[in-house]
Amino acid sequence: AQSVSQHNHHVILSEAASLELGCNYSYGGTVNLFWYVQYPGQHLQLLLKYFSGDPLVKGIKGFEAEFIKSKFSFNLRKPSVQWSDTAEYFCAGVQGAQKLVFGQGTRLTINP
Amino acid sequence: KAGVTQTPRYLIKTRGQQVTLSCSPISGHRSVSWYQQTPGQGLQFLFEYFSETQRNKGNFPGRFSGRQFSNSRSEMNVSTLELGDSALYLCASSLDTLNTGELFFGEGSRLTVL
Repeated sequence: AQSVSQHNHHVILSEAASLELGCNYSYGGTVNLFWYVQYPGQHLQLLLKYFSGDPLVKGIKGFEAEFIKSKFSFNLRKPSVQWSDTAEYFCAGVQGAQKLVFGQGTRLTINP
Repeated sequence: KAGVTQTPRYLIKTRGQQVTLSCSPISGHRSVSWYQQTPGQGLQFLFEYFSETQRNKGNFPGRFSGRQFSNSRSEMNVSTLELGDSALYLCASSLDTLNTGELFFGEGSRLTVL
């Protein structure tokens, strides 16, 4: 079955540290990949997306992700995190008209 | 532009009861998806409706059902509630005719089953 996995369940960083959250998918063929973010008390919102083309995609708030087909990965990165980045991050994938499948989520805590 | 609206936001039920949750998508969006969010399982897909037809279905028992109306509003129903049904139920809408995955989420309906 198609799946998306996030291996980091809880990440704790200090402000200004660099961030990389792992995401792996099991789809073969063409796949659309996403990162969603859920800030405390807020609804899920789209952070960035990859459909095709340049494998390095940039999203809101300085986030970026790199699609590496050979590794089935779509890791999320940010060079310098802020306290306001504290949230839960979800990687997701979809193929064609199938359902959007989410990873388990990674809780990110940024200490000031 | 109004976002996705879910009602009720919070509700408490007892085992064996049933519950109906409502979702109003963003105006113009024809696709509505439902997800169950729990701390242990993350986001689990329930079903997706497009133009009043169920297009995709997750691996939930038949106690979970849904429908979509001609105005794209959607409802989901859970019958014979179990303790394990306690969760945040999220609705998301999409403009795309094909599910490209870009969803707009509501704030959810938090169901507690006692």
